[in-house]
Order: sequence, then C-alpha cells, then structure tokens
Amino acid sequence: GAVVSQHPSRVICKSGTSVKIECRSLDFQATTMFWYRQFPKQSLMLMATSNEGSKATYEQGVEKDKFLINHASLTLSTLTVTSAHPEDSSFYICSARTPTSGAPDTQYFGPGTRLTVL
Amino acid sequence: AQSVTQLDSQVPVFEEAPVELRCNYSSSVSVYLFWYVQYPNQGLQLLLKYLSGSTLVESINGFEAEFNKSQTSFHLRKPSVHISDTAEYFCAVSASRWHGNKLVFGAGTILRVKS
Repeated sequence: GAVVSQHPSRVICKSGTSVKIECRSLDFQATTMFWYRQFPKQSLMLMATSNEGSKATYEQGVEKDKFLINHASLTLSTLTVTSAHPEDSSFYICSARTPTSGAPDTQYFGPGTRLTVL
Repeated sequence: AQSVTQLDSQVPVFEEAPVELRCNYSSSVSVYLFWYVQYPNQGLQLLLKYLSGSTLVESINGFEAEFNKSQTSFHLRKPSVHISDTAEYFCAVSASRWHGNKLVFGAGTILRVKS
C-alpha cells in the first residue's frame, strides 16, 4: 500500500529555535497533504491542509506564521515550527491523499514526529 | 461542525474474549465514518469505513462496526480478540467528501489484549 514517512521521528530543541519536520509520500504522488497535532490522551487535531504549489489552508486558531507549511513537490511537504516554545511540544502527524479519488479514505498517514521543546 | 466521542480511553480484555470499542458522533449533516488503528511506532491505518449502503461494515481481520443513525454511534466490535490486536483505535468522521476531506478524530481507545 501507499507509504508515508516522516522525519525526524523525534526531536528535542531549545526554546526559541525553529524545527522542520518532513513528510514524504514514498510510492505515490500526493496533491494534498494534511498536518495534524496530537496532545497526550487527546484527539488528532487538523492544523492545516497543504496543496502542492499553493498556500496552505490553516484551521481556525492555528497561527500560520508560527507553523510554516511548504508543499513544494508532489511527494514532499514540510512543517516548520518557528521560535518553538514548550507549549509547542506535541506529536505532529501528517497524511497524504492521492489525487485520483475524492473520498476521505484515501488519506495515508505518517508515523508521526514527537517534538519536545525545552 | 462535527465531533467524535470515544467513551473509553483504555479497554483491557483477555485473549479470545469479545470486545466493543464505543464511538459516538455529533453532526448536523450526513457523515462518513471511519475506524483507524495505530500499532506501536507506526502510522494510522484505515481499518474500516462506512460511506453508504449497508450499515454493517467489516474489516479483513475480523472487526466489524455498525452505523446507527438514530443513536449517532459507530461502535467497533470483534467476537474474539488476539494479542496482535493490541493497538490504539481511533474513530473519525467526515461531513462530506466535497468538504476538503477533513477528518475529525476521537481521542482514541487503547485496546490491551492479555494472555
């Protein structure tokens, strides 16, 4: 099946630094990628929808200047957490959707990235 | 807007026993419903889905879920669990395939199968 990878799987950084997380679709082209955030014992919350070659669409309450999303190719989207603070510590998960179907069930998920900001 | 409630954060069960993981949703419009499974250190995998038609849907590994519109539920069941079913299970809802395919997830239920 379709495989989505994320890198890094874990990252620890100091407060005030920026962190970039990569999401790659390994064996298919993804015109749309989604970024989610998951707090411990809570739901996955959609942060933004990223379409290749255009600006990301952010969900209400998500700061677009803090969470920079770039979807420069059909196989790669990046999420950069700028000037990270301890409250940004979380589990970030991406998913990728194939371009041939409009059904929600074609989202394929990455394994997630654990961000810890000290 | 849609929301999903998974009533149990953890469900311990013995091997070969039946299990039910509960999921309730709220929505003002028609929905599609999903169950995803996440094994340790892996990504979410689609387990089964309800889009239309028969309200009882099944997965290839013995799980089934029934869409109950009047009770706004989509509970996941398996008559006999295995150790390998230990994982976290997420219920999710989508309002419509034309609304950006946005999924709203429940908080997840950890199924722990004991020998």
